[in-house]
Amino acid sequence: GAGVSQSPSNKVTEKGKDVELRCDPISGHTALYWYRQSLGQGLEFLIYFQGNSAPDKSGLPSDRFSAERTGGSVSTLTIQRTQQEDSAVYLCASSLGGGPQFFGPGTRLTVL
Amino acid sequence: AQKVTQAQTEISVVEKEDVTLDCVYETRDTTYYLFWYKQPPSGELVFLIRRNSFDEQNEISGRYSWNFQKSTSSFNFTITASQVVDSAVYFCALSEARRGNEKLTFGTGTRLTIIP
Repeated sequence: GAGVSQSPSNKVTEKGKDVELRCDPISGHTALYWYRQSLGQGLEFLIYFQGNSAPDKSGLPSDRFSAERTGGSVSTLTIQRTQQEDSAVYLCASSLGGGPQFFGPGTRLTVL
Repeated sequence: AQKVTQAQTEISVVEKEDVTLDCVYETRDTTYYLFWYKQPPSGELVFLIRRNSFDEQNEISGRYSWNFQKSTSSFNFTITASQVVDSAVYFCALSEARRGNEKLTFGTGTRLTIIP
């Protein structure tokens, strides 16, 4: 596709369950970022990938959060033992060699 | 540490009026990028502009214009002759300018409502 895609668009889960969120970046974009948007915290950085490596994980809020990227393309953000405070919109963005970041439509996560 | 302040939480103007959204930033970096993104009701963040800290020239794109003033650490955004389609939340953001990690620090956003 032409833009960044994310799936699922909406996810409702029960507290304590694990969830996986997927991001397909723009083809050829080497850099990939995850952000979170919540009412209380605004837009905040989570993790940055260059290729398959993640040199900056400083924004991950706890060790329940992890992410990986395979083949320099698709990335998965995993949240283990979800808590209600994890409810937010999770946004993925990609960029090409220092260019601006382009965002996907996001995944709205609701933890009951 | 980087910080972006958008003091205007909400703005409402009547269609065809001009409106300016303010953005003030803080950074210790000597080179950096400044951005504006638009988030319409659909929710997707739409890239509008990126400016390098070395380039203080103002920029105009159609009805949009941006005023970058390093002396006051501001990067303001003006919409001329506003239209209902301009209704959205607008975010100003900042990143280091270097190859590699250019994670964005966002302001809290300004909700703009254009009244028909």
